[in-house]
Amino acid sequence: GAVVSQHPSRVICKSGTSVKIECRSLDFQATTMFWYRQFPKQSLMLMATSNEGSKATYEQGVEKDKFLINHASLTLSTLTVTSAHPEDSSFYICSAPDPRVGTGELFFGEGSRLTVL
Amino acid sequence: GDSVTQMEGPVTLSEEAFLTINCTYTATGYPSLFWYVQYPGEGLQLLLKATKADDKGSNKGFEATYRKETTSFHLEKGSVQVSDSAVYFCALSGVNTGTASKLTFGTGTRLQVTL
Repeated sequence: GAVVSQHPSRVICKSGTSVKIECRSLDFQATTMFWYRQFPKQSLMLMATSNEGSKATYEQGVEKDKFLINHASLTLSTLTVTSAHPEDSSFYICSAPDPRVGTGELFFGEGSRLTVL
Repeated sequence: GDSVTQMEGPVTLSEEAFLTINCTYTATGYPSLFWYVQYPGEGLQLLLKATKADDKGSNKGFEATYRKETTSFHLEKGSVQVSDSAVYFCALSGVNTGTASKLTFGTGTRLQVTL
């Protein structure tokens, strides 16, 4: 099946700094990628839809200036958490549909755990 | 809008017990339905899927049947193992309009299997 990879898998940073998380589709081209945030009680929240060559579409309540998304190529999307604070600590997961699979299925990265001190 | 409701967990079972995790949905049209599994510290993996009514998805001993009349997609396994301990998410994908469809997820059900 299609492979999506995230990096880093874990990152610890100081409050006020920015952190970048990369999401790559390794064996297919993804014009769209989705970024999710997973809270401690396991629920998944869709943060934004990343679109190659255009601006990301953010879900209601997600701060665009806090969570910067860039979809630079057909295989790479990045999420930058700017001026991170402890409440931004979470598990961030990206996903993408493989255009070769027409059922709406998404392929997920391994996730990135962010801890802000 | 679309929504998915799954039974709340955690579900704790002894090894070799029968598993059912209920999932019902609300959607317009004919969505595709999925079960994803998340093992501790990992991302989500597709467990099984069904794309039309009466389809049965199956994988690793797990099964789920797309029931349009009851808008359900319950996950079952006849004999669970300790290695099945994970969080299970039911999800649906809206009608494919040629653009990427968002998945709508349930809240997840944590399964703990003990010896």
